[in-house]
Amino acid sequence: QKEVEQNSGPLSVPEGAIASLNCTYSDRVSQSFFWYRQYSGKSPELIMSIYSNGDKEDGRFTAQLNKASQYVSLLIRDSQPSDSATYLCAVLPQQGAQKLVFGQGTRLTINP
Amino acid sequence: GAVVSQHPSRVICKSGTSVKIECRSLDFQATTMFWYRQFPKQSLMLMATSNEGSKATYEQGVEKDKFLINHASLTLSTLTVTSAHPEDSSFYICSARVKGGGAHTQYFGPGTRLTVL
Repeated sequence: QKEVEQNSGPLSVPEGAIASLNCTYSDRVSQSFFWYRQYSGKSPELIMSIYSNGDKEDGRFTAQLNKASQYVSLLIRDSQPSDSATYLCAVLPQQGAQKLVFGQGTRLTINP
Repeated sequence: GAVVSQHPSRVICKSGTSVKIECRSLDFQATTMFWYRQFPKQSLMLMATSNEGSKATYEQGVEKDKFLINHASLTLSTLTVTSAHPEDSSFYICSARVKGGGAHTQYFGPGTRLTVL
């Protein structure tokens, strides 16, 4: 079983709709969770981090964490064509750990 | 914001040669730097974790004698791909974590695309 799992997609969403990206992780003691956006040919950039159960909102982005279900998601409201990218879920397995564990990424396409 | 640079951004080399890639944190000190490799349409694969002044810790399956990592200062880490072969062609990305900071302070460089002919 992979440590961090994402649906590779592609996920197609019409412009203006809500894009929903999902991620599950296997290590129950994981503490910190991150969403990165990676445009084709570029390196990842951090867009959201979340550490406790519930929702965290930042502009059009909302991260949701459910530690009991070992599930973290990212919602993008009012999707724009510029949101088209690969979204990587990353997990820090435990407090004090150095290494992020990345999922394989979900390729998102926003259709005008 | 924190900036991480990589040089070169692209390199094409002949099989059997060695290639050095530099990773610099421009406006912060980084005790820990990470080196990743990414093949097309795949996720990031961590190759090694580099701590300033000590030997790098390599991930399972990564040859430490082939991928030499040096983290000589708080702002510079280098990755040398020795005796490169076509299968080493990939996108190499470094990231640097702010000294004393958490995982949310890990910033990625722009990447180096290596093509081995």
